[in-house]
Amino acid sequence: AQSVAQPEDQVNVAEGNPLTVKCTYSVSGNPYLFWYVQYPNRGLQFLLKYITGDNLVKGSYGFEAEFNKSQTSFHLKKPSALVSDSALYFCAVRDMMRYNRLAFGKGNQVVVIP
Amino acid sequence: ETGVTQSPTHLIKTRGQQVTLRCSSQSGHNTVSWYQQALGQGPQFIFQYYREEENGRGNFPPRFSGLQFPNYSSELNVNALELDDSALYLCASSVGSSAGGQETQYFGPGTRLLVL
Repeated sequence: AQSVAQPEDQVNVAEGNPLTVKCTYSVSGNPYLFWYVQYPNRGLQFLLKYITGDNLVKGSYGFEAEFNKSQTSFHLKKPSALVSDSALYFCAVRDMMRYNRLAFGKGNQVVVIP
Repeated sequence: ETGVTQSPTHLIKTRGQQVTLRCSSQSGHNTVSWYQQALGQGPQFIFQYYREEENGRGNFPPRFSGLQFPNYSSELNVNALELDDSALYLCASSVGSSAGGQETQYFGPGTRLLVL
């Protein structure tokens, strides 16, 4: 089955510093990878996705993600973190073998310190 | 905002009762997927509906059932509620096809269900 892993529970970063949220994947075939963000008591908001093409994917709110096939990683990045970026971030992979469901990681809590 | 709406926002039920959750998909979307998000966990796939037919199911018992209407809105029904059913229930809409593809799923705000 397709799966993703988010190895860190929480990421703390000072406002203005670069933010990185890590994700590794395990798939058979071509990976379709997604990042979503969840604010308290809210649903998931789509940030970006990798289907094919450039390894650097640009998304919403200044976020980007780097696809690395050799390391099977899809890390989310932002050059300069804002306090408002504090939220729960989920990496997901489309499981093409199982009805195109999204298989999510456990999530990373990001805390941006003013 | 995605244009995906869910109702109700919150719900409290007792063990053994039945519940119906509703989802209106984004305009132009014909596929609805339902997920359960327990506290501190990532969302888990329940099932998906494409053009009013169930198009796949996760590891959830038959007491979880669904429906999709001609306007592509959807319902999730849970019978014989258990304490472990307490969770945030999310629906996501997308433009699907029978063969599947690369479509992005857009999520609603969720319904938080508490089973006492």
